[in-house]
Amino acid sequence: KQEVTQIPAALSVPEGENLVLNCSFTDSAIYNLQWFRQDPGKGLTSLLLIQSSQREQTSGRLNASLDKSSGRSTLYIAASQPGDSATYLCAVRRRNDKLIFGTGTRLQVFP
Amino acid sequence: EAGVAQSPRYKIIEKRQSVAFWCNPISGHATLYWYQQILGQGPKLLIQFQNNGVVDDSQLPKDRFSAERLKGVDSTLKIQPAKLEDSAVYLCASSLSSTGYNSPLHFGNGTRLTVT
Repeated sequence: KQEVTQIPAALSVPEGENLVLNCSFTDSAIYNLQWFRQDPGKGLTSLLLIQSSQREQTSGRLNASLDKSSGRSTLYIAASQPGDSATYLCAVRRRNDKLIFGTGTRLQVFP
Repeated sequence: EAGVAQSPRYKIIEKRQSVAFWCNPISGHATLYWYQQILGQGPKLLIQFQNNGVVDDSQLPKDRFSAERLKGVDSTLKIQPAKLEDSAVYLCASSLSSTGYNSPLHFGNGTRLTVT
């Protein structure tokens, strides 16, 4: 059974810092991995999708890496801003199977 | 592009009552999902539709939950009768791909259900 863990559960940093959010999964036979952002009272916004054959994806100040063999992904946020404050969730999918979500990392970036 | 629309935004009911949620996905999206998100947890898939057929409902408590997607567009999720543990946010999502496995998911803002 696939389990997804995100560490840390919560993180508070000053504006401008570069930071790394971690995601680990127990079954390395994944099809793809997605990172999402969730603002309070809102749905999820897809940030990055990495196929199993890829090592990383970049979008603006965000970079997500994938190491399937070790069951890990990281989300790197450069030059953090208060507007980045949200909960970040990762989710993994096996071929022809459902997305399995982690419990998220709650990020607060203070001015 | 209009996003995924859900209603109502909030619902408070007593246990043993029934409730229904509505979702309108992004136009042209073949795959529609209903997720349950309990406070402090990640979303859990309840049911996945491809067009108007069910692809996965393995985690749907079928004794009390039901869902349909008429004409492959809008969808409704119903709970009857509700239990206290059904208190959660119910999220609807859609994706463009007909298989749903290789496209990003687009989520609505959810319906927050409180069962008292």
